Amino acid sequence: NAGVMQNPRHLVRRRGQEARLRCSPMKGHSHVYWYRQLPEEGLKFMVYLQKENIIDESGMPKERFSAEFPKEGPSILRIQQVVRGDSAAYFCASSPTGGGDQPQHFGDGTRLSIL
Amino acid sequence: AQKITQTQPGMFVQEKEAVTLDCTYDTSDQSYGLFWYKQPSSGEMIFLIYQGSYDEQNATEGRYSLNFQKARKSANLVISASQLGDSAMYFCAMREAFQGAQKLVFGQGTRLTINP
Repeated sequence: NAGVMQNPRHLVRRRGQEARLRCSPMKGHSHVYWYRQLPEEGLKFMVYLQKENIIDESGMPKERFSAEFPKEGPSILRIQQVVRGDSAAYFCASSPTGGGDQPQHFGDGTRLSIL
Repeated sequence: AQKITQTQPGMFVQEKEAVTLDCTYDTSDQSYGLFWYKQPSSGEMIFLIYQGSYDEQNATEGRYSLNFQKARKSANLVISASQLGDSAMYFCAMREAFQGAQKLVFGQGTRLTINP
């Protein structure tokens, strides 16, 4: 069974460019979550999506950040006009359902570096 | 708002000893879930163990057990017979368990180092 797949593993962008981070959930999982981790800190929730729907985006910055989880294909976290402060590790997690005792299974993360 | 506190930034333990990593939480909800994740130096997040707020028994998974004290709002992770491969960051996290609010709130983490 393939786990949560994130790509790329490392991404380097210059200030002002766009960053697109991809996440394919585990097989059979229809719930996707994105988190951001700054160095030496815990993960901070960004957004929770189900297929074609954003359920909770309370952790997303109001500007430049967007997320989608289309009917077909991976979930995408998009950061427009990146700035130095966007440098972080971005983790995607998935679960088969949204509730109960189902743990969220994480991908290996994308390390985003802004030059 | 929910809050998770891990008061031990770093811990050093001799191989084969047991270790307890502290976690306290703050919530007004009656139904919630508590998780522990391990993050080795390679960076991935590995799920270790889960405890539901209504579970009467402490969760166990191999060498991992969770010392759940609901009245004290603590959910400490116990690792028995520590191994060198246990050296990593450990994060405690909490999730609200009602519809529409499925985000995990993480603590700051504890860096565990196992000495040979």
